[in-house]
Amino acid sequence: GQQVMQIPQYQHVQEGEDFTTYCNSSTTLSNIQWYKQRPGGHPVFLIQLVKSGEVKKQKRLTFQFGEAKKNSSLHITATQTTDVGTYFCAGRMVDSWGKLQFGAGTQVVVTP
Amino acid sequence: EAQVTQNPRYLITVTGKKLTVTCSQNMNHEYMSWYRQDPGLGLRQIYYSMNVEVTDKGDVPEGYKVSRKEKRNFPLILESPSPNQTSLYFCASRTGTFTDTQYFGPGTRLTVL
Repeated sequence: GQQVMQIPQYQHVQEGEDFTTYCNSSTTLSNIQWYKQRPGGHPVFLIQLVKSGEVKKQKRLTFQFGEAKKNSSLHITATQTTDVGTYFCAGRMVDSWGKLQFGAGTQVVVTP
Repeated sequence: EAQVTQNPRYLITVTGKKLTVTCSQNMNHEYMSWYRQDPGLGLRQIYYSMNVEVTDKGDVPEGYKVSRKEKRNFPLILESPSPNQTSLYFCASRTGTFTDTQYFGPGTRLTVL
């Protein structure tokens, strides 16, 4: 079964609001990646987190990796219409670096 | 331009008719992978390859085959497609080092009737 769970599955946001999507793994991860997929497009790599407790920022996006390396979050501030899309986390398992397990994704809809 | 290409982009076929989806990258990446995307399930890894002649199963390999005879190409083969293989397929590549960006192809939408 799916080891990487992502919530919420769907997020409806008013433009200007903040939101967070969460990713949880049943096992410890080597690292975690985040991707964005626009409607009709392909996943585009956003960032990779490797260290326990790591926090990285990309403009309005803040990514965190949990201390136990089992969970991660993506927080977007002041949402814009360009943030529309589905955000996926993907975890690399400790015992199998070749495998990458994706969460089911959070579909974000932004209302102007 | 650095890119991953897939062909065909769209394919409608019938049950049991063998097909191949090609994937090629021009970035000299060692690591390539195939995923399928289905609503509500995200992306699931089918097969991956860490270098020429080195392939391994992902989470959903049943019904698929792959080969890696050249570094740049990683075709996905469906020997006897079935309707449950109707999906959106993505090929991806990365250099194979521990920390690296993964680049996805544009996707192949496959319908098996």
